Amino acid sequence: KAGVTQTPRYLIKTRGQQVTLSCSPISGHRSVSWYQQTPGQGLQFLFEYFSETQRNKGNFPGRFSGRQFSNSRSEMNVSTLELGDSALYLCATRTSGSPGEQFFGPGTRLTVL
Amino acid sequence: SQQGEEDPQALSIQEGENATMNCSYKTSINNLQWYRQNSGRGLVHLILIRSNEREKHSGRLRVTLDTSKKSSSLLITASRAADTASYFCATGTQGGSEKLVFGKGMKLTVNP
Repeated sequence: KAGVTQTPRYLIKTRGQQVTLSCSPISGHRSVSWYQQTPGQGLQFLFEYFSETQRNKGNFPGRFSGRQFSNSRSEMNVSTLELGDSALYLCATRTSGSPGEQFFGPGTRLTVL
Repeated sequence: SQQGEEDPQALSIQEGENATMNCSYKTSINNLQWYRQNSGRGLVHLILIRSNEREKHSGRLRVTLDTSKKSSSLLITASRAADTASYFCATGTQGGSEKLVFGKGMKLTVNP
């Protein structure tokens, strides 16, 4: 079974631009969560999608948004990029609606200049 | 904001020795999970322990959970150089949605 894939793996943007990151879950996984990892704040939950619906949201500004498609693939978008948005963005997927092991992708390294 | 906090923040040991990492958290949980991360890459799930469990084993890993003290420990026995990584504890809360709250992580170095 193929693992979680994230594209692109690396991205360089300038302040004010917007960016879209993509996550393809393991086949059969309907839950997709997004996390931001920075040296200062560590790993922080952004949001979770399940069956195309956002089920939970972390404490991030509205510039951070996401969506999930009918094939469970998910995208997250960050608008009006700030320097502080530079981070490793990780998506994690799992099978059912009950809590359990999450499978992480390799991440997208976003650098904002 | 972090819920879990790993202790120590960094640990350096020799191959063959055991490594113990501790995690403390603040609120009620449904489960506690441990993950490993190599050099800024994706996280790898190691083990999950539910709030009604006290101890769990998986290969060279042993996890304990004390909900009265809101703490957990991860023991890696007979460590190998390949165990060198950052280790995170993460707590999962109740309900169908799984929002994992991670600790800051602990850097383990296993010297050959």
